[in-house]
Amino acid sequence: NAGVTQTPKFQVLKTGQSMTLQCAQDMNHEYMSWYRQDPGMGLRLIHYSVGAGITDQGEVPNGYNVSRSTTEDFPLRLLSAAPSQTSVYFCASSYGSLRWGEQFFGPGTRLTVL
Amino acid sequence: DAKTTQPTSMDCAEGRAANLPCNHSTISGNEYVYWYRQIHSQGPQYIIHGLKNNETNEMASLIITEDRKSSTLILPHATLRDTAVYYCIVRVESGGSNYKLTFGKGTLLTVNP
Repeated sequence: NAGVTQTPKFQVLKTGQSMTLQCAQDMNHEYMSWYRQDPGMGLRLIHYSVGAGITDQGEVPNGYNVSRSTTEDFPLRLLSAAPSQTSVYFCASSYGSLRWGEQFFGPGTRLTVL
Repeated sequence: DAKTTQPTSMDCAEGRAANLPCNHSTISGNEYVYWYRQIHSQGPQYIIHGLKNNETNEMASLIITEDRKSSTLILPHATLRDTAVYYCIVRVESGGSNYKLTFGKGTLLTVNP
């Protein structure tokens, strides 16, 4: 198993540009989520999905879109990048239900918005 | 989710046991104690979780006090690769209506040679 993979590892954007952060898992996990991590702020939940076709907002969803067309993939779209979105982004997945808390995290995408 | 309190940092000698404490005095009866760690520049890694009985797996042991107000994560033979920030998280086991894992500031464990 590759586990949770994220691409790209690093990205530099200019203000106003859009891009998609990719996340994939090969463990047939129901639950997937996106977090961002900023210095001194801990990890904050952006969006999550409890299964294909089902997504919902976390605590900091503004400026981001997600979709879940397959069980394996959960891309995060930045619509119009802003410097405040400079962060490290982590994708996570788990079996859901009673094993929800045993989450597998990807290696992260380090995004800089100029 | 119940609030947790952890020391900011701890040191441990390589090969010795590392005992990381966590206070969670407001824990509810259906809330579990989860431990994660984050090695520098990597994604968080799930370690172990438990409700009230002590738990052990290949990575660590979790000791929960009888009143469940505190717990200790034990790394039995710490190595340099165990240097990381360790997070204690308290929440219900299923996603339920709150799908957020709340990572606080955690404890920076430094394993010294």
